[in-house]
Amino acid sequence: NAGVMQNPRHLVRRRGQEARLRCSPMKGHSHVYWYRQLPEEGLKFMVYLQKENIIDESGMPKERFSAEFPKEGPSILRIQQVVRGDSAAYFCASSPRQLYEQYFGPGTRLTVT
Amino acid sequence: DQQVKQNSPSLSVQEGRISILNCDYTNSMFDYFLWYKKYPAEGPTFLISISSIKDKNEDGRFTVFLNKSAKHLSLHIVPSQPGDSAVYFCAASDPETSGSRLTFGEGTQLTVNP
Repeated sequence: NAGVMQNPRHLVRRRGQEARLRCSPMKGHSHVYWYRQLPEEGLKFMVYLQKENIIDESGMPKERFSAEFPKEGPSILRIQQVVRGDSAAYFCASSPRQLYEQYFGPGTRLTVT
Repeated sequence: DQQVKQNSPSLSVQEGRISILNCDYTNSMFDYFLWYKKYPAEGPTFLISISSIKDKNEDGRFTVFLNKSAKHLSLHIVPSQPGDSAVYFCAASDPETSGSRLTFGEGTQLTVNP
C-alpha cells in the first residue's frame, strides 16, 4: 500500500510565478490536509479537504493561495504570484476518516528566488 | 498564540537510556494528542497517539503520558537507539472547534549517542 505521494519534491520559482503542488493520498483515504513548515518552525495547518469539498481553509492566506481535491486525480495546492516569504516545505497528509491519525507525504520544498 | 509548546529545542541522551520529550498545551478543548518523528528532508511519521480519556498509552519502546490537569504530555523512549535521532513533534486536535486539523509544537531535536 503506497504512502502519501507528493510531487514535485523540490520546486524553484521566481517571484511572481505560479507554484502547483500535488498530493495523492493513501489508497482508501478521502481526507486530505495541507500544512506548511517555515524554516525553524513547526508545521502550520493550511487547509482540510474531502473529495470535491473544502471543509476548513482557516489556515490559508486570504490571497494567492487556493486548494482543490477533485473527484478524479490528486489534490492541488496552488500559489499564485509567489513571493520570497512563500519559501517553505509544504506537507500533505491523508486519513481514512475524520478524527484519526494523519499520514504525511515527503513534502515539497518550494524555493522562491 | 502558540497553543502547543515544546520548550526544549534539543535533547541528547546515551544509547540504551531513556529519552523523555515534553509538550505543554494551553487549549483545554484539545482531546486527542499525537507524536510524530521527522527525519531531514522527509515527512513526519506517526508514532503514537492518546485520547484525553486515557492517561497512558504504550506501543513497544514508546509510551505517551497525558496529565490533563497540568495540560502536559510526554513521550518516553526506552531504550533509546541511535536510529531514534530525529525531530519529534507533538500535535493536538480539538474536534469541536477546529475539526480534524492538527496543531503542532515547534519540535525537539533528539540525538542518541552510541
